[in-house]
Amino acid sequence: EAGVTQSPTHLIKTRGQQATLRCSPISGHTSVYWYQQALGLGLQFLLWYDEGEERNRGNFPPRFSGRQFPNYSSELNVNALELEDSALYLCASSLEVAGTDTQYFGPGTRLTVL
Amino acid sequence: AQSVTQLGSHVSVSEGALVLLRCNYSSSVPPYLFWYVQYPNQGLQLLLKYTTGATLVKGINGFEAEFKKSETSFHLTKPSAHMSDAAEYFCAVRGNFGNEKLTFGTGTRLTIIP
Repeated sequence: EAGVTQSPTHLIKTRGQQATLRCSPISGHTSVYWYQQALGLGLQFLLWYDEGEERNRGNFPPRFSGRQFPNYSSELNVNALELEDSALYLCASSLEVAGTDTQYFGPGTRLTVL
Repeated sequence: AQSVTQLGSHVSVSEGALVLLRCNYSSSVPPYLFWYVQYPNQGLQLLLKYTTGATLVKGINGFEAEFKKSETSFHLTKPSAHMSDAAEYFCAVRGNFGNEKLTFGTGTRLTIIP
């Protein structure tokens, strides 16, 4: 069974540009989560999508946004990039909305903002 | 609100020695607890999880953790360290009822001394 996949692996942008990151969940999983792992800041929750709807978001500005498609894949958009947006962005998927289900992580996209 | 504290950002043990990584949590509801491992330049891999039931949880690669409600702890152990265990380890607590995000500790980097 294929795991969570993310693309691209690496992304280099300049300040002010927009970045789009993509995630494909494990087959059958309906929930997708996005996390940011920035140096010195640890792993922070960004966004949660389930059944095409945004269910929750972390403490990030509105220039971080995303969506979930009918096939449950998801993309994360970061507008007006700032230097501090440089981080590893991790996507995770799970099967159930509530309960004890586990989030399985992809390999991440390394975003570098110059 | 939920939180996780990992004591010791760096832990070094000799090959063959006991591995003990500490995690304490704070949760207003019965917690769902997880340990993930991250190898360099990779995503997170699930080691083990506690939801309900047996408080001693066995995971992959010989790791186990014990949920102790009275101590609000979920420490990770392995009887005999192997060189391949060198990685960063994250403890996490999951919310529920519309707040299913993972809240992570700051991580513990495990070094194995030959």
